[in-house]
Parts: sequence; C-alpha cells; structure tokens
Amino acid sequence: AQKVTQAQTEISVVEKEDVTLDCVYETRDTTYYLFWYKQPPSGELVFLIRRNSFDEQNEISGRYSWNFQKSTSSFNFTITASQVVDSAVYFCALSGRDDKIIFGKGTRLHILP
Amino acid sequence: EAQVTQNPRYLITVTGKKLTVTCSQNMNHEYMSWYRQDPGLGLRQIYYSMNVEVTDKGDVPEGYKVSRKEKRNFPLILESPSPNQTSLYFCASSYRRGTYGYTFGSGTRLTVV
Repeated sequence: AQKVTQAQTEISVVEKEDVTLDCVYETRDTTYYLFWYKQPPSGELVFLIRRNSFDEQNEISGRYSWNFQKSTSSFNFTITASQVVDSAVYFCALSGRDDKIIFGKGTRLHILP
Repeated sequence: EAQVTQNPRYLITVTGKKLTVTCSQNMNHEYMSWYRQDPGLGLRQIYYSMNVEVTDKGDVPEGYKVSRKEKRNFPLILESPSPNQTSLYFCASSYRRGTYGYTFGSGTRLTVV
C-alpha cells in the first residue's frame, strides 16, 4: 500500500528564517511521481512541483527547493528566507503504478512577522 | 486561461435537500476527480472519471453521485445531504490520472444544517 507521511502538523517560524517541510513516502512501485501543493488561507490548491522516481536531482525555484532522496524515501521542501506570504498548508502527494494520487495530511506553516 | 471552475464557492443547505456542485475544465483533460478536505483527515477522493461515461468510486463515495456526459463537465450530486457531508470540496482534472498532477478548482465550502 502507498502512504505519504507529513509528520509536522504545524510549524511556526519568524520571517526570513529558513524552514524545511518533511515528507516521507512508502511505495513498492519502481516508477512513481511525487508532488507538492500549497493551500494558502484563501483555500485554493496550487501545484508547486512534480518529480518522477528516476530523477533524484534536487530542484530550486527561487526561494523554494526540493530534496528528493530515494534512499530515505523522502521528498523534503525547503523555503529559504521565508515570507509572510508563504503561510499556508502544504501537501505532499504520491502517485504510483495504479496512477492514484495519495495525499499526506498536510503541514500548516505559519510565518510570523 | 487554463482552469477548473467550480460553483458555488459557498453553500449552506438543509439536511435532505438535493444539491449539485458543478465542475468544468477547459484543458481537454480526460481525467477528473472530486475530493473532500476535512480537518485532520487531509484530502480524500470521492469519485473519479477516466473519460466520458467512465466513472468510478474513490475512497469515500457514500452519499455522493457523479456523472460525466461531456469531457469538460463533472458535477457532484448529493441526493440527500447530511451534516457529516459538511466539508470543503475540490474538483480536479489532469491530462492523465496521477502522472501529471492535478489542476484544482477553487473549492466549494458546503455546510449542511
């Protein structure tokens, strides 16, 4: 069975601090896809990144970076120099051979001014 | 603009009064899905559709119906809403189930009293 665990239910940091959101997944599939979504206070779900299981390169997009490590089954998300606008709930998700996307329960991030 | 449009954004209704939440996408996506989001439970799939006239149950289908008569539309029907269906609902679409990630609608906050 596939599973996504976001152990941090809620995190608070002061603005400009760096913060890492953890995501650990379980799957027996050799081909799978990992995703991160952001849900700001307005409620919509915004796609951030998609990564397939054969691409372990880390990715950086502005202040956002993602660290994919198959050895530890983790796909962690780091925000550098956090800003108040980063306050949101962040979801990690996994899709395997059955093509079904499984979401973690989310991490609520508070960036304090 | 590529998008998934859900209506209404907010709805308060009474127990037993049939309602429909509409969902439409303009990206010619084959795959569409409905999720509900509840505190502490994350996102759970209600129903999905692989293509026109092809629908299947997700993890929490009880009390819901869907139809897919046209590729762009995927309405969610609550024949006899109950208070335990009070939730935040999201429609999502994708070029292909799972692999490409979803584009989500803005959400519908439903309250059943």
